[in-house]
Amino acid sequence: EAQVTQNPRYLITVTGKKLTVTCSQNMNHEYMSWYRQDPGLGLRQIYYSMNVEVTDKGDVPEGYKVSRKEKRNFPLILESPSPNQTSLYFCASSLQGAPTDTQYFGPGTRLTVL
Amino acid sequence: AQSVTQLDSQVPVFEEAPVELRCNYSSSVSVYLFWYVQYPNQGLQLLLKYLSGSTLVESINGFEAEFNKSQTSFHLRKPSVHISDTAEYFCAVTQAGGYQKVTFGTGTKLQVIP
Repeated sequence: EAQVTQNPRYLITVTGKKLTVTCSQNMNHEYMSWYRQDPGLGLRQIYYSMNVEVTDKGDVPEGYKVSRKEKRNFPLILESPSPNQTSLYFCASSLQGAPTDTQYFGPGTRLTVL
Repeated sequence: AQSVTQLDSQVPVFEEAPVELRCNYSSSVSVYLFWYVQYPNQGLQLLLKYLSGSTLVESINGFEAEFNKSQTSFHLRKPSVHISDTAEYFCAVTQAGGYQKVTFGTGTKLQVIP
């Protein structure tokens, strides 16, 4: 089954404790992206990647890091989480990152930072 | 820059009644338009998209949207809603040329009342 998977689905942590949210896709997509979803704000892009070893900032990159060492994986790293990073996070992928492409989303990771 | 406005944050409607979810966009160049749906506790999935050609596009589950360039709108409609349509709906836009920079609206929660 073609899908985007994220782990963990739910995470409660404390301020300053480094964490990683994994994202993997099995569709051989070139483009991958991370979003955060907050009430009343919709989805905002954190980082994106056009291909292996090619990443760039989205609209709200502060406090996040990413890496793209393999085509299928695109982990999101919070080196020192803060309460304002409490949010619902989605990973997405698309075939080539063209503006006409459909994005395929993972099931989401709900993060709470105390 | 591009932007998307979904003025209605929540739309309650009785089962079997018609519904319209409004979406307006702003862009200085040609755009592609999308509607994504998010069912409870799930990621977003594509409902329909407008790329070119006929301005009326349809989904497999009875939704339709019409691209209106003069009014910069892409409203989503369904003539008769079902309980299973209860979800949050996001309008999104990308610009022709360049990579897939997607701008999402803030979402409209459709609540279908039995």
